[in-house]
Amino acid sequence: DAGVIQSPRHEVTEMGQEVTLRCKPISGHDYLFWYRQTMMRGLELLIYFNNNVPIDDSGMPEDRFSAKMPNASFSTLKIQPSEPRDSAVYFCASTSGTGRSEQYFGPGTRLTVT
Amino acid sequence: AQSVTQLGSHVSVSEGALVLLRCNYSSSVPPYLFWYVQYPNQGLQLLLKYTTGATLVKGINGFEAEFKKSETSFHLTKPSAHMSDAAEYFCAVRVSGGYNKLIFGAGTRLAVHP
Repeated sequence: DAGVIQSPRHEVTEMGQEVTLRCKPISGHDYLFWYRQTMMRGLELLIYFNNNVPIDDSGMPEDRFSAKMPNASFSTLKIQPSEPRDSAVYFCASTSGTGRSEQYFGPGTRLTVT
Repeated sequence: AQSVTQLGSHVSVSEGALVLLRCNYSSSVPPYLFWYVQYPNQGLQLLLKYTTGATLVKGINGFEAEFKKSETSFHLTKPSAHMSDAAEYFCAVRVSGGYNKLIFGAGTRLAVHP
């Protein structure tokens, strides 16, 4: 299996621009998680889905952030408009089953907002 | 509610020395516990996990961890450190109530010097 796939791996954009991050989970996994990692705040859970339905978006920092999962093999995280404080590494992870299974992480997208 | 505390944000050991990374958890139900490793510019990778059964769990790269309910601990050890073990290590506990959500500790950065 190819694992969790994220694109792009690096994104540099200017403040105010829209940013879209993409994730393809492992085939057959029915849970998908979006995380953000920064030096200051560590690893934060932003939102997660079960069977393409958002379960908990309480970690989404503000309305500028939105996430969708139109089907079982694709999810997006959008920031509009972007701000310098959004600079971070964004990870997508997927898993399945009863909770005994681990989450599988993608390689991350490093976002820099100037 | 569950929580995870990793004691020591930075640990430094000599090559060949014992590695001990500490993790304490709080959980009102029998926990599922995980250790992940993150190498520079990569996503998180599972080292090992405890769900039920044997309390001493062996993982990849010679690491192991012991679940101690009485101490609410899940410390990670490796008898002999290798230079390639230098990375950041995260302890996590699954949130009860389903949905496979994990709560991560703040991480411990392990440095290995010659």
